[in-house]
Amino acid sequence: GDSVTQMEGPVTLSEEAFLTINCTYTATGYPSLFWYVQYPGEGLQLLLKATKADDKGSNKGFEATYRKETTSFHLEKGSVQVSDSAVYFCALSDKGGSQGNLIFGKGTKLSVKP
Amino acid sequence: NAGVTQTPKFQVLKTGQSMTLQCAQDMNHNSMYWYRQDPGMGLRLIYYSASEGTTDKGEVPNGYNVSRLNKREFSLRLESAAPSQTSVYFCASSGVQGPGNTIYFGEGSWLTVV
Repeated sequence: GDSVTQMEGPVTLSEEAFLTINCTYTATGYPSLFWYVQYPGEGLQLLLKATKADDKGSNKGFEATYRKETTSFHLEKGSVQVSDSAVYFCALSDKGGSQGNLIFGKGTKLSVKP
Repeated sequence: NAGVTQTPKFQVLKTGQSMTLQCAQDMNHNSMYWYRQDPGMGLRLIYYSASEGTTDKGEVPNGYNVSRLNKREFSLRLESAAPSQTSVYFCASSGVQGPGNTIYFGEGSWLTVV
């Protein structure tokens, strides 16, 4: 079945460091890809998404490119802030027609130190 | 902007007790979902409702029942709680189906079964 694999955490960075969180997927067809972020004690919020190959999603300085050839959707940010500390989830939606439920990776916890 | 509202936020149950988690959305979305989040497991879909009057099982439906009361409300019931159901539960909703369909999450309900 469809699945999402993302890098194990936790990831600890200093402020202004470069961030990469790797995400690869397995799916039949042409899934849409998402990054969700969960701040402590809160629900998940959509960070960015891409619906087709070579699309780049971006938001709040984060970006990710849908790479069909490598089945990847890695999250990057050039300069992280303490406020970016959160858990990041990669997800795919493979039933954009009649169903929209998501398949999630296990999450990567990011801690940014001042 | 309320979005997706779920209650209660925290609950402690004894093994064998029953309870219902309530969820309501004010975005006029057709689809609603219940997920559970466990450490190191990401989010897993329990049940979903693609439209008012329909419900379907997700990845982990055993031990749960759901009711789509109307377009706004989607409840999750534990008939006889077990310690394995200790988890954080998230209700979610989404609107128009299609590629890149965004799912909006509530803030979560922390359930402990002792």
